Amino acid sequence: SQQGEEDPQALSIQEGENATMNCSYKTSINNLQWYRQNSGRGLVHLILIRSNEREKHSGRLRVTLDTSKKSSSLLITASRAADTASYFCATEMMPSGGSNYKLTFGKGTLLTVNP
Amino acid sequence: ETGVTQSPTHLIKTRGQQVTLRCSSQSGHNTVSWYQQALGQGPQFIFQYYREEENGRGNFPPRFSGLQFPNYSSELNVNALELDDSALYLCASSVDWIGELFFGEGSRLTVL
Repeated sequence: SQQGEEDPQALSIQEGENATMNCSYKTSINNLQWYRQNSGRGLVHLILIRSNEREKHSGRLRVTLDTSKKSSSLLITASRAADTASYFCATEMMPSGGSNYKLTFGKGTLLTVNP
Repeated sequence: ETGVTQSPTHLIKTRGQQVTLRCSSQSGHNTVSWYQQALGQGPQFIFQYYREEENGRGNFPPRFSGLQFPNYSSELNVNALELDDSALYLCASSVDWIGELFFGEGSRLTVL
């Protein structure tokens, strides 16, 4: 089942512009993470934001989390051609009644940065 | 520090066959999670192993099974392969069962 949904599905911008991707989810979470994937390769962790945090920065990345709206956004500033990739949000939640854990991914946003 | 490694990188099987995929976790990590990623989709959680025990399972049939070894490496086995099993299989390791995941490059399985 899909917990997170990214929006837009695809985004094309020029180098130097900012890119904003959004993620919505359905149930309460412990944390939300953003990952990047280059063309069918492994995923790379970008940033983790906990449910009690509202904003986090890492280099050119800025992530916000609004638990009341069950949504998050990822902002990449001053984009570069090398930022071209798929970006996924993933939510960590503890299913009720047990200690089983899973990280649930959305379908991703394909970002293309044109030189 | 050695990262997560997966083997094989690519393989082709026919319907009904069985496949074993292998994963070496990153040094110091005791948890391995397996994901299936179909083309154009996000990764779907198959299961997780923590200290050699299954610690959670997604919505996959029993013909998907796994193991974790004392050195925390892991195997994913799929029996009676179906065409829809064609996908990129991703292994990720972590310290304990929460937080950031470190992914391997994946094993791309094609079922004909």
